[in-house]
Amino acid sequence: NAGVTQTPKFRVLKTGQSMTLLCAQDMNHEYMYWYRQDPGMGLRLIHYSVGEGTTAKGEVPDGYNVSRLKKQNFLLGLESAAPSQTSVYFCASSQGQGLAPLHFGNGTRLTVT
Amino acid sequence: GENVEQHPSTLSVQEGDSAVIKCTYSDSASNYFPWYKQELGKGPQLIIDIRSNVGEKKDQRIAVTLNKTAKHFSLHITETQPEDSAVYFCAASMNTGFQKLVFGTGTRLLVSP
Repeated sequence: NAGVTQTPKFRVLKTGQSMTLLCAQDMNHEYMYWYRQDPGMGLRLIHYSVGEGTTAKGEVPDGYNVSRLKKQNFLLGLESAAPSQTSVYFCASSQGQGLAPLHFGNGTRLTVT
Repeated sequence: GENVEQHPSTLSVQEGDSAVIKCTYSDSASNYFPWYKQELGKGPQLIIDIRSNVGEKKDQRIAVTLNKTAKHFSLHITETQPEDSAVYFCAASMNTGFQKLVFGTGTRLLVSP
C-alpha cells in the first residue's frame, strides 16, 4: 500500500519557468490538499479538493493552479515560477474534512533561482 | 481567521526525560486538535489527536491535554528516546464552510542519548 506518492522529489526551476507537481493516492480518499512548508511558518494550505472535478483555494493560492481530473490524482501547477515559491510542497489526502486524519506524501523540494 | 501558536520552536532533552510542547489557538469554535510528527525527509504523520469533548488522551508514552477555556493544548512525551527526535506540529480545526486544519509553526525536538 503506497499511500500518497509525490513526484518529483526534487526540482530546480529558473524564474518564469513552469512545472506541475504530481500527487497520487491509493486510499480512495475524497479529499486532497496541497501544502507548502517554509522554515518558521509551518504548513500552509495552498489549494484543496473535496472530490473529483472540484478545487478550492486555501490560505496561499496566488501563483498556483490545481486540477483533480481523477479521484486519485491532484496536480499542482506553477505557471511562472518565482523565487518566493522556493519551498517544500506536501500533498495530503483524507477520508473526510478537518476532523479526519491527513495522510501526507514525502514532499517535493522545489528551488526557484 | 484561526491562528495557532506553538512553543518552543526547539527543545533539547536527555534520553529518558519528558518533553512538553504547547499550543494556543484563537478560534473558540475549534473542536479537533491533532499532533503530527515529521521525521527528516518525510511527510508529517499523525501521532495523536483529541476532540473538544475530551480533556486528555494517552497512547503509551504520549499524551495530549486540552484546556478549552484557556484555548490551549499540549503534547507530553514521557521517557523520551532518540527515535522521538523529529519536528512536531500541532493543529486546530477551523470551519469556514469547510473544516480544515491550521498548523502551528513546529517544534524541533532533539533527544540526546
